Amino acid sequence: DTGVSQNPRHKITKRGQNVTFRCDPISEHNRLYWYRQTLGQGPEFLTYFQNEAQLEKSRLLSDRFSAERPKGSFSTLEIQRTEQGDSAMYLCASSLGEGGRLAKNIQYFGAGTRLSVL
Amino acid sequence: DQQVKQNSPSLSVQEGRISILNCDYTNSMFDYFLWYKKYPAEGPTFLISISSIKDKNEDGRFTVFLNKSAKHLSLHIVPSQPGDSAVYFCAASATQGGSEKLVFGKGTKLTVNP
Repeated sequence: DTGVSQNPRHKITKRGQNVTFRCDPISEHNRLYWYRQTLGQGPEFLTYFQNEAQLEKSRLLSDRFSAERPKGSFSTLEIQRTEQGDSAMYLCASSLGEGGRLAKNIQYFGAGTRLSVL
Repeated sequence: DQQVKQNSPSLSVQEGRISILNCDYTNSMFDYFLWYKKYPAEGPTFLISISSIKDKNEDGRFTVFLNKSAKHLSLHIVPSQPGDSAVYFCAASATQGGSEKLVFGKGTKLTVNP
């Protein structure tokens, strides 16, 4: 399977614990995005990388959240001191920048990591 | 402030008929629009997109129409099939403004009855 891969698929944690999610994008894609989706809502943008550079961050991304994309390949999203309000589906997407064979800004999503904070 | 609105939470149609899903937006900087389909326990799957320089884009059974003056777009599915039953999300981006983020609506749940 050459799509976007996210691990783990599910994570249950206790309030106050730290969690880390991983995303492996489609191999030739240089852009990687993180979104969060809660029940009854559409995905909400969190942050975006072009290669290893984090170029855009949402105000939703509090200082407890940090994302990295070392070497411009896979990415990790860490949430420190989790709160019950962090419970959501965390989605990763990737896209190919301009000049590629794919149309601009079509983002391809992984299956997500569902986080439950007890 | 919801910049992308899908005002119908659900839609039910008969197999073989047309499904029309609607989406309104408020940000005039949006210049690229996409529709995604989502099944339970899966991520959103890209369906079709349209640039603001066009008013129609067609791909098989799926057609997206864009009315810029009304800030409205719609997705037509003809003919509808039971396998089309899913939640459909409208998304928009302001690419000329330098932002790569997609802004999504809340989704419309489509049910196609056999």
